[in-house]
Amino acid sequence: AQSVTQLGSHVSVSEGALVLLRCNYSSSVPPYLFWYVQYPNQGLQLLLKYTTGATLVKGINGFEAEFKKSETSFHLTKPSAHMSDAAEYFCAVRISSGTASKLTFGTGTRLQVTL
Amino acid sequence: GAVVSQHPSRVICKSGTSVKIECRSLDFQATTMFWYRQFPKQSLMLMATSNEGSKATYEQGVEKDKFLINHASLTLSTLTVTSAHPEDSSFYICSATNRGVGNTIYFGEGSWLTVV
Repeated sequence: AQSVTQLGSHVSVSEGALVLLRCNYSSSVPPYLFWYVQYPNQGLQLLLKYTTGATLVKGINGFEAEFKKSETSFHLTKPSAHMSDAAEYFCAVRISSGTASKLTFGTGTRLQVTL
Repeated sequence: GAVVSQHPSRVICKSGTSVKIECRSLDFQATTMFWYRQFPKQSLMLMATSNEGSKATYEQGVEKDKFLINHASLTLSTLTVTSAHPEDSSFYICSATNRGVGNTIYFGEGSWLTVV
C-alpha cells in the first residue's frame, strides 16, 4: 500500500521568500505523485503532477516539484512567495494510471505568507 | 478544462433527516467518482469509490447503509447521508476521473454539511 508523509503541518514564509513544502512517499511500485492546493472552504485544485519522464515538474502559479526516487521525495517549491499563495497544500500518491485507482493524501501543510 | 461541480455547496439539515449531495462532471464522462470527507484542518479521507453502473466500494469503517452512493450515469454521482446526526457534519468532496485524459482526477468544490 502507498502512503504519503508531509513534514510540517504549518509553514510560514515572508512574502518574496522561497517556499519549500516537503513530501515523502512510500510505494512498492513506481508512483504517480500530485500536489493539490485548497483555499478556505473550497475543493482541491491540481498544482502539478509527476507521472513519467522529466523528474522536475512545473505547475501553475510558479510552483514546481522534483521527483527524487532515491530519496522517495516530491518536495514542492516556489522561488518567491506571494500573499495569494496562503492556503493548504496536499501531496498525494497514486500507484497506477492504467486503472482509476485512488489517491492517498498526506495530512496537508498550511502555508502562511507574511509581509 | 474539465470541471466537476457539487451541489449544494452548503446545506443545513435537522438531525434524523437525510440529505443528498450531487457530484457532476460537466464536460467529460466520469467512469469513476470518489467521495471524500474532510474534517476541519485535516486531510481528505476517502469514503468510497463509485463506478458507473455498479455498486460503490466503501473504505473500511465507512457505513454503506448510512452513506448511500449512486453513480447512475457517466456524469452524475450522488451521496446521500441517511438519518444524519451532528457528528456527520463535515466537508464532503467528490472527485472524478476519465480514463481518456490520462487519468487526471478532478475535484469538485466541496459541500459543507451541518446537522443541527
